[in-house]
Amino acid sequence: GESVGLHLPTLSVQEGDNSIINCAYSNSASDYFIWYKQESGKGPQFIIDIRSNMDKRQGQRVTVLLNKTVKHLSLQIAATQPGDSAVYFCAEKRNSGYSTLTFGKGTMLLVSP
Amino acid sequence: KAGVTQTPRYLIKTRGQQVTLSCSPISGHRSVSWYQQTPGQGLQFLFEYFSETQRNKGNFPGRFSGRQFSNSRSEMNVSTLELGDSALYLCASSLGGANTEAFFGQGTRLTVV
Repeated sequence: GESVGLHLPTLSVQEGDNSIINCAYSNSASDYFIWYKQESGKGPQFIIDIRSNMDKRQGQRVTVLLNKTVKHLSLQIAATQPGDSAVYFCAEKRNSGYSTLTFGKGTMLLVSP
Repeated sequence: KAGVTQTPRYLIKTRGQQVTLSCSPISGHRSVSWYQQTPGQGLQFLFEYFSETQRNKGNFPGRFSGRQFSNSRSEMNVSTLELGDSALYLCASSLGGANTEAFFGQGTRLTVV
């Protein structure tokens, strides 16, 4: 498959563990944050989003936490599965009406059976 | 419903040539954004089109251009190709309003030799 990043931070976990992927953002004007998952050979796939007026949002097996004080975003994946292996990107957007996303560098998650 | 379709999937061009990439958004989506993905720089925003108008542009040279047609399909063009233009070019479509989800295509892998 295609490599989407040769020098990404890597998180290696065992199947069934909980995973936490972190992201620091820089723009305090951003008011919408999104996590994307990118598998080899595919485009980024939406996982979960959160607005800046929230500090936590839960989805199916995933939770996003937002700490605006330190400009930090995290993605928690419960009971990680081998199919979760991918590169994870955080992205931020300003509420300007534009659809422009600013992406972080990405973290590679490797899940061992 | 059909997802975002990008053509071609793979391209090999020589330096100095030009290239045109195509993106068909999800039906009903009026916003199309283009991103360049490289191992070194990650995902970087190129430009966004909404209702046939470019409404935002990233920090790329004028060799990179695009357009959107009345059916929302979009093309991007790169002229006078350089080796550093080798990348995965991703298209994302959305409804176009603030805080709306962006859906990505699988990308076009461009290799410049």
